[in-house]
Amino acid sequence: DVKVTQSSRYLVKRTGEKVFLECVQDMDHENMFWYRQDPGLGLRLIYFSYDVKMKEKGDIPEGYSVSREKKERFSLILESASTNQTSMYLCASSPLAGGYTGELFFGEGSRLTVL
Amino acid sequence: KNEVEQSPQNLTAQEGEFITINCSYSVGISALHWLQQHPGGGIVSLFMLSSGKKKHGRLIATINIQEKHSSLHITASHPRDSAVYICAAPRTSNYQLIWGAGTKLIIKP
Repeated sequence: DVKVTQSSRYLVKRTGEKVFLECVQDMDHENMFWYRQDPGLGLRLIYFSYDVKMKEKGDIPEGYSVSREKKERFSLILESASTNQTSMYLCASSPLAGGYTGELFFGEGSRLTVL
Repeated sequence: KNEVEQSPQNLTAQEGEFITINCSYSVGISALHWLQQHPGGGIVSLFMLSSGKKKHGRLIATINIQEKHSSLHITASHPRDSAVYICAAPRTSNYQLIWGAGTKLIIKP
């Protein structure tokens, strides 16, 4: 069974803390994505990666960075967490399909609260 | 105007009814995705299609590339179909997906 695993379902952090969110996929997918989901705003892309060590900014990269040292792992880093980063964070992976995004597989999400 | 638009935003129906959710897009795309999200749950991919029609159980997705329009149909709807349904399309220019706002579906018993 294909799987995208996010390291933590729920996190509570304090303002200014460094936060790591990890995502691992076991499907050998090229593409990996980090989204945040907020009520009324839908899914917004933070960063995506189409290969190891490759990354591209999404729609809302400010305040975030990412790391993809291995194909199966894509990490999202909040260098200094702020209260406006309280959100649900969703990781997804997909194969390339003719050069574009194939079927998407999502993790269960990580709900981050920044106090 | 959003590049991917869904309608309706909210839909409430009785069990057994035939459901249609629409998605229109204005960008050039390679394929269109339909996904489902249950309350408090993760997101599950339902379909990815670039032409014609696909069927999985009671769910049917169609796409008309010329008209830039896709529909998701649910036959014999059931309360467990209650969820948010989202369409998304990748731009042909890059990998980025453009997301619809979602349709919240409630099926009453």
